[in-house]
Amino acid sequence: DAGVIQSPRHEVTEMGQEVTLRCKPISGHNSLFWYRQTMMRGLELLIYFNNNVPIDDSGMPEDRFSAKMPNASFSTLKIQPSEPRDSAVYFCASSFGTGYQETQYFGPGTRLLVL
Amino acid sequence: GENVEQHPSTLSVQEGDSAVIKCTYSDSASNYFPWYKQELGKRPQLIIDIRSNVGEKKDQRIAVTLNKTAKHFSLHITETQPEDSAVYFCAEGGGSNYKLTFGKGTLLTVNP
Repeated sequence: DAGVIQSPRHEVTEMGQEVTLRCKPISGHNSLFWYRQTMMRGLELLIYFNNNVPIDDSGMPEDRFSAKMPNASFSTLKIQPSEPRDSAVYFCASSFGTGYQETQYFGPGTRLLVL
Repeated sequence: GENVEQHPSTLSVQEGDSAVIKCTYSDSASNYFPWYKQELGKRPQLIIDIRSNVGEKKDQRIAVTLNKTAKHFSLHITETQPEDSAVYFCAEGGGSNYKLTFGKGTLLTVNP
C-alpha cells in the first residue's frame, strides 16, 4: 500500500489566493482527519470524517476553511482567501474504524507558505 | 480529551542512556494513549500505544506506562541510539469529546 497520499507537498501562494490541499486515504480506511501543525500551536485537529461524513469540524479555524470528502478515496481542504497566519504544515491522516481510538496513519504533509 | 501537558520540551541524552517523557491529562474518561515519533521534515508515526485496561506495554526498547488514578502516562526509551533523535508526541483520546489531543512534543537528541 502506498500509504496516505497528499498533494501538493509544497505550496507557496500570496495572501488572498485560494488554496486547495488534497488527500487520498489508505484504501479500506473509513476515517479521515485533517491536522495543522505549527511551532506555536503544535498539532491541531481541524476536521474528522467517518464514512465520508464530517463528524467533528470544531477545529476548523473560521469560515475561510472548508473541507469535503466526496468519496471514500478523496478529500480536500480549501482555504479561501488565504492569509499569512495560515502558513503551516497540513497533515491528512486515516484510520480503520470509528472515533479516535484506532491507529492514525499520517500522510507526508503539505507545507503551505502564504506570503 | 481537553488538555495534555507534555514534559520536558527538550531532552538531550548520551547514546546508551535511557530517556523518559511524561504526559498528564485532565479528562478522566480518556482511554487511549498513543505515542508518535516525528523526524525532522517527516510525518508523525505511531510507535506505541496503550489503552486504559493496561498499566504497561513494552515493545523492544520502548515502553509506555499508564497511571489512570494520577492521570499521567510516560514513554521510556532504553539504550538510546542516535536514530532515536526526533520529536515525540503523546496524545490522548476516547474521552468526553472523543477527540485525539496531542501534547506539544518533546525534542529528543541522542548524542553519539
